[in-house]
Amino acid sequence: DTEVTQTPKHLVMGMTNKKSLKCEQHMGHRAMYWYKQKAKKPPELMFVYSYEKLSINESVPSRFSPECPNSSLLNLHLHALQPEDSALYLCASSQEGASGASSTDTQYFGPGTRLTVL
Amino acid sequence: SQKIEQNSEALNIQEGKTATLTCNYTNYSPAYLQWYRQDPGRGPVFLLLIRENEKEKRKERLKVTFDTTLKQSLFHITASQPADSATYLCALKAGTALIFGKGTTLSVSS
Repeated sequence: DTEVTQTPKHLVMGMTNKKSLKCEQHMGHRAMYWYKQKAKKPPELMFVYSYEKLSINESVPSRFSPECPNSSLLNLHLHALQPEDSALYLCASSQEGASGASSTDTQYFGPGTRLTVL
Repeated sequence: SQKIEQNSEALNIQEGKTATLTCNYTNYSPAYLQWYRQDPGRGPVFLLLIRENEKEKRKERLKVTFDTTLKQSLFHITASQPADSATYLCALKAGTALIFGKGTTLSVSS
């Protein structure tokens, strides 16, 4: 299984709502990532989990809260978002060697969740 | 500051021709460089990885070159087809993060 799945595919929420994005992989990968992508822009890294521990937080506002319940699952909890947070949210995973620079750093992306904040 | 640049935002070519996309970087010394394909509204899909000690890598109709002196990678699609139309992203590892270029959107017309 070389697939990363994300749910939901689409999400519309108001600024006062609380929602969660989910990501799952069964490739035994030990690194998982959240990216945000706006139209016609490259993916921008938000968070990295390595061995279920948060290793990178790219100065993301606290209204985004990541969670890694186990090595296969990654959640992104959303609360009090702003309309400018509307974007495609991508999850990815990679095998990640101990040094962080192995030959297996290829990232496998999910299809994304299209988020619209009203 | 560290930068990755893909010189063309868009590239239009005719079916059967070779598409050549460019990726330049500054202030990095990457051990390798990756190329991904992204279709609209979908996540990027890994295509090829080329290491600093490799000059060229091929996969079917795809070829990637890597010149660490010029700090440049070229991505070629030979005998292009309309199905190759997509955005192609180059990416470098910076620490534990993968940094993407802005991408080049390739359109192949029949």
